[in-house]
Amino acid sequence: GAVVSQHPSWVICKSGTSVKIECRSLDFQATTMFWYRQFPKQSLMLMATSNEGSKATYEQGVEKDKFLINHASLTLSTLTVTSAHPEDSSFYICSARRGAQPQHFGDGTRLSIL
Amino acid sequence: GIQVEQSPPDLILQEGANSTLRCNFSDSVNNLQWFHQNPWGQLINLFYIPSGTKQNGRLSATTVATERYSLLYISSSQTTDSGVYFCAVPMIKAAGNKLTFGGGTRVLVKP
Repeated sequence: GAVVSQHPSWVICKSGTSVKIECRSLDFQATTMFWYRQFPKQSLMLMATSNEGSKATYEQGVEKDKFLINHASLTLSTLTVTSAHPEDSSFYICSARRGAQPQHFGDGTRLSIL
Repeated sequence: GIQVEQSPPDLILQEGANSTLRCNFSDSVNNLQWFHQNPWGQLINLFYIPSGTKQNGRLSATTVATERYSLLYISSSQTTDSGVYFCAVPMIKAAGNKLTFGGGTRVLVKP
């Protein structure tokens, strides 16, 4: 149980385009979803927290207009990297939790901007 | 915010060896998680362990919350144990119990 699916797993796109990443909780309703970013050989850094039906809460230093988060249902959250540039290249990981239960993580999305 | 430190940062093991990874945290926590990130980036939940000791096969974990540390034991290591091990704790007072991750211990098990 507690499966979180993230799609796509890998994406390459041109500079200036927007990229959408989906995070789905497959077998539970996620009251809260989280988005992390991980640079090579570094730890996970929390970008934002989203609760179903409300606006996401962004961590300090994360541009909310660059990283648009939508949590439209209890099983789906999306992260859109708008007008992506090479410095946005990274590994993005989502997680989901129900109530006070532990977070369960997706397999991550490797984003490369050319 | 709460600080989480892991040691050692890197660990090279011969297959079959045992090892201990440590996670120190700077404030009281109500739970702690250990994860293994494999070479493909997948983050695997190992333990949810606010206190006490748990075992799962060759892995076990102990958290001493009052002394603000947790230990992860790997016994009879295998090459598939390679990867990065993270501990993470929630910020209790933060909305949504956001997780703070340690810097990780990078483990390489040689055949």
